[in-house]
Amino acid sequence: DQQVKQNSPSLSVQEGRISILNCDYTNSMFDYFLWYKKYPAEGPTFLISISSIKDKNEDGRFTVFLNKSAKHLSLHIVPSQPGDSAVYFCAASDDMRFGAGTRLTVKP
Amino acid sequence: GAVVSQHPSRVICKSGTSVKIECRSLDFQATTMFWYRQFPKQSLMLMATSNEGSKATYEQGVEKDKFLINHASLTLSTLTVTSAHPEDSSFYICSARSGVSYEQYFGPGTRLTVT
Repeated sequence: DQQVKQNSPSLSVQEGRISILNCDYTNSMFDYFLWYKKYPAEGPTFLISISSIKDKNEDGRFTVFLNKSAKHLSLHIVPSQPGDSAVYFCAASDDMRFGAGTRLTVKP
Repeated sequence: GAVVSQHPSRVICKSGTSVKIECRSLDFQATTMFWYRQFPKQSLMLMATSNEGSKATYEQGVEKDKFLINHASLTLSTLTVTSAHPEDSSFYICSARSGVSYEQYFGPGTRLTVT
């Protein structure tokens, strides 16, 4: 049973605009979430995380928002850059399983 | 930052043979290691979780006798694909986590091709 879901398989945005990637979870006991970025034929790299005691965590161009009541988190990238093009995965640290991933394409 | 290495990065083997993939945490002690598999254009699928000195916990549908996992030390875990078949061809990725961190650090992956 997939407890972490990413329902958008792909997203395409123009360079300089905002990219918003979404993730939903089902278990209200999850208390720590992570976003990873992955290029083809490479292992994922950690991007940003958020604890359930917060509703926002920001690191440079990357901001993660957590809505506990909706069991939803989102990753905002602004401004988007072509180098951000990759597959992004969300995960709950308790579960260690990943969402299906969203392929982001940032067009120059 | 924490570094996890995998060896080999690529391996080609014949059907029926066994292949061992090593996962090492280079600068921290990994109390828990995870093994994932990724098919082309698909998500990372968790295969098993191993804690140092304990037997691995396998996910449903993963054959433990086919995918042997050993986590004998705090810096090394191995995945052995036994009696490999062409359908085992995939990208295998390990990750490691220390006991004090929520974060897991990923290896670069191993591309296995079974001919």
